[in-house]
Amino acid sequence: QVLLVESGGGVVQPGGSLRLSCTASGFTFSTYGMHWVRQAPGKGLEWVAAISYDGSNKYCADSLKGRFTISRDDSKNTLYLQMKSLRLEDTAVYYCAKVVRSSGWSSPFDYWGQGTLVTVSS
Amino acid sequence: DIQMTQSPSSLSASVGDRVTITCRASQGINNSLAWYQQKPGKVPQLLIFAASTLQSGVPSRFSGSGSGTDFTLTISSLQPEDVATYYCQKYNSAPFTFGPGTKVDIK
Repeated sequence: QVLLVESGGGVVQPGGSLRLSCTASGFTFSTYGMHWVRQAPGKGLEWVAAISYDGSNKYCADSLKGRFTISRDDSKNTLYLQMKSLRLEDTAVYYCAKVVRSSGWSSPFDYWGQGTLVTVSS
Repeated sequence: DIQMTQSPSSLSASVGDRVTITCRASQGINNSLAWYQQKPGKVPQLLIFAASTLQSGVPSRFSGSGSGTDFTLTISSLQPEDVATYYCQKYNSAPFTFGPGTKVDIK
């Protein structure tokens, strides 16, 4: 069955960096676009970034551009989110999500990981 | 960028009631609209995509409609297990914005 497992979360000071990972199994990872979504404590869902199935297209939310970078390593079935210059408001649970349709990213998300908590605090 | 709004932000209804949630896009998105359900402490789950297509395994009391800029999610007969926050999302193009959510509970 499809499984997405995030890791790499933790406590980081403002201005610090962190790299999140999402390890996928149960489907052909290299044929699906992938996304990151975050949810601050008690708040709604916020779309963060997307990457196409072959890594040739990437898109990050405007408010995060320049600080967050999405990437993938198909040899490891792993999705990454590199975060730098972290701010207090980046505190959230970060989810990775798989799209329904292969070979694209403009598709809803049918599987989500359990999330990894990032806490930015001094 | 296209903005997504939802109404109401919260509602309380009785078991068996018909519940309707509205989602509006600031520009047309054809039918590239999904609805997700997030129960307290749980991961979001896809309910409906392409505005009206029920995801496999989702109870038939859930339905979606709309196209362009205006969409609705309807629960035909509210059940206790439907207590959750519901989010719409546009996915026609980046950014893949979510609506602010509608919290549904039982009266």
